Amino acid sequence: DQQVKQNSPSLSVQEGRISILNCDYTNSMFDYFLWYKKYPAEGPTFLISISSIKDKNEDGRFTVFLNKSAKHLSLHIVPSQPGDSAVYFCAASAWYYNQGGKLIFGQGTELSVKP
Amino acid sequence: EPEVTQTPSHQVTQMGQEVILRCVPISNHLYFYWYRQILGQKVEFLVSFYNNEISEKSEIFDDQFSVERPDGSNFTLKIRSTKLEDSAMYFCASADSTGEKLFFGSGTQLSVL
Repeated sequence: DQQVKQNSPSLSVQEGRISILNCDYTNSMFDYFLWYKKYPAEGPTFLISISSIKDKNEDGRFTVFLNKSAKHLSLHIVPSQPGDSAVYFCAASAWYYNQGGKLIFGQGTELSVKP
Repeated sequence: EPEVTQTPSHQVTQMGQEVILRCVPISNHLYFYWYRQILGQKVEFLVSFYNNEISEKSEIFDDQFSVERPDGSNFTLKIRSTKLEDSAMYFCASADSTGEKLFFGSGTQLSVL
């Protein structure tokens, strides 16, 4: 069951530069997408989300872009900071069809921001 | 800031024993979930709970698993007879009435020996 895929297991970026994390999905019913950040031995922490009626959502240094035709979303972090080093999970749900329904997670991308 | 609380943080048990993992979701939330993450793998959905009943469960959530919300504040996951492959980090999550964003606890690391 690979409905949500993050093809890059790791990414290394220099402090101050842009980090771009990518996510692809296959299920056309997905209409709500989220990014979570996870540190070792902690639970996933909500970062930012986007509904399928939008193609961009911005919150401070974090921007999520959604390309529905390509079934692709990306998370941009600008500028990247060493404290951003963590595992980032993309998640999706079919919220319109099943409010409160499960999130399907990608495999995660480990971001390392070097000073 | 309100948070989801899970206890214990670590649980070690012998194969075949019963374990109960406990969670206190955020107080005004209506949707409740259990997920797990086996080391090195993705976060996997186990079960969702709404209006005092299971709304959805995965193939992993077989007859050995059960959930309960006994008193309006706690949400528990019981594994009746643990197997070695149940060793994982178990996360509880809750969501408000919109059901959009899930907020996760810090997890219970279950080790089955």
